[in-house]
Order: sequence, then structure tokens, then C-alpha cells
Amino acid sequence: GAGVSQSPRYKVTKRGQDVALRCDPISGHVSLYWYRQALGQGPEFLTYFNYEAQQDKSGLPNDRFSAERPEGSISTLTIQRTEQRDSAMYRCASSQLAHYGYTFGSGTRLTVV
Amino acid sequence: TQLLEQSPQFLSIQEGENLTVYCNSSSVFSSLQWYRQEPGEGPVLLVTVVTGGEVKKLKRLTFQFGDARKDSSLHITAAQPGDTGLYLCAGAPVSSGSARQLTFGSGTQLTVLP
Repeated sequence: GAGVSQSPRYKVTKRGQDVALRCDPISGHVSLYWYRQALGQGPEFLTYFNYEAQQDKSGLPNDRFSAERPEGSISTLTIQRTEQRDSAMYRCASSQLAHYGYTFGSGTRLTVV
Repeated sequence: TQLLEQSPQFLSIQEGENLTVYCNSSSVFSSLQWYRQEPGEGPVLLVTVVTGGEVKKLKRLTFQFGDARKDSSLHITAAQPGDTGLYLCAGAPVSSGSARQLTFGSGTQLTVLP
């Protein structure tokens, strides 16, 4: 696609429910990144993929968070048993293998009530 | 402790004024990037600086990478209300062994008043 697409744009969920956040990167972009961003702050790294391989998941806060990119394109970030502290803007970005600039999506605003 | 420290955190100026924001670290970076983010949107890449001492200009914006590749600055000449936004620097420290995973600074929120 023309840009990085994230869905849903907004998600409100009850504490304890599982949520899945989707990212569709720019076509041909090999690398895909997940970040979490608090209001007025810089994005905080969660995990990233080259093709379908998860290269680094050191930023995932705990084992309730997981991500996959099975076919090297669309990625899903899953949060199990959500807690209020998981409320945040979740951002996805993609980049070409040989180009270091990221293109970000508009994000998913997750609210856990 | 932030790997990339940005200053000032907040800056409010009048249209037409000049300003400089800073991005500092004790780590060496192979490159640094600057992004601008507007409310409700994702960060948008402005520039990448790669060589120590490098200066890049983008219209009224001038970016500089420190000689030691540990810091960078962004200077805006004759600021306009359209420059308002959150300015973020980002990079991957050489010590991390990965050039792909970026660490972001906490940002400078710039407001340019008409």
C-alpha cells in the first residue's frame, strides 16, 4: 500500500481481555517495527522483524505481549489478559532493508478499562 | 536514563524567531535521524545524518551531526506556525550491534505562535 496501515485506530477493551493489533507495512518493506508511545514522549521499542523472522523482542514488557509476521508482510501484536497499564498508543513502522528511515503508521490507541 | 537526551523538552516561540534543539548522548551512533510528529499522526522522517561533522539543510531547517557522532542539533530559521510539532531524534548506538533498531529521544515539543 501507499503507507503503513494500522487497525483498529482505536480499541477499548475490558481488563483481562485479549487484544490483537494489526499492521500492514508498505509493500516491499522488509523490516517492520512495533513501538509504544506515551503522549508527548518518544516511541519506545517493543520488537522488530526482518521478513518473517523476529529479530529482537527485548522491548516487549512481559510474556503477555507477543508478535508475529508469518508471511513477512502483515504483522499482529497480541496482548493477552490486558491490564490498565497497557493503555497506550501502539505504533508500527516499516523500512526498506537498505534504508534506515522509518515510515510510521497512524497508530492504534488502546484503552483498557 | 534516556540513551538520547533532548533539550529543551518544551519550547514556545513567536513566529519569525530562530531556535535550536539538541540531542545528546554518551554513546556513539553510526547515524542519527530527526523526525517531526504532529498531533494524532506518526513521526515523519526529516533527515538522516551519517558522517561526523555533517551539516544538512532542508529549507529553513539545518541539521548537524557532532564530530564525535554522539550528538546532533536542529536549527530552525524564521520559525512558522507550521513548524509546530514534536521533534524527535533517533539512532542506533554502535555498541548495540544492530543498525536497524532505533532508540528515540523523549522529544522537544515546539509551539510557534502567530
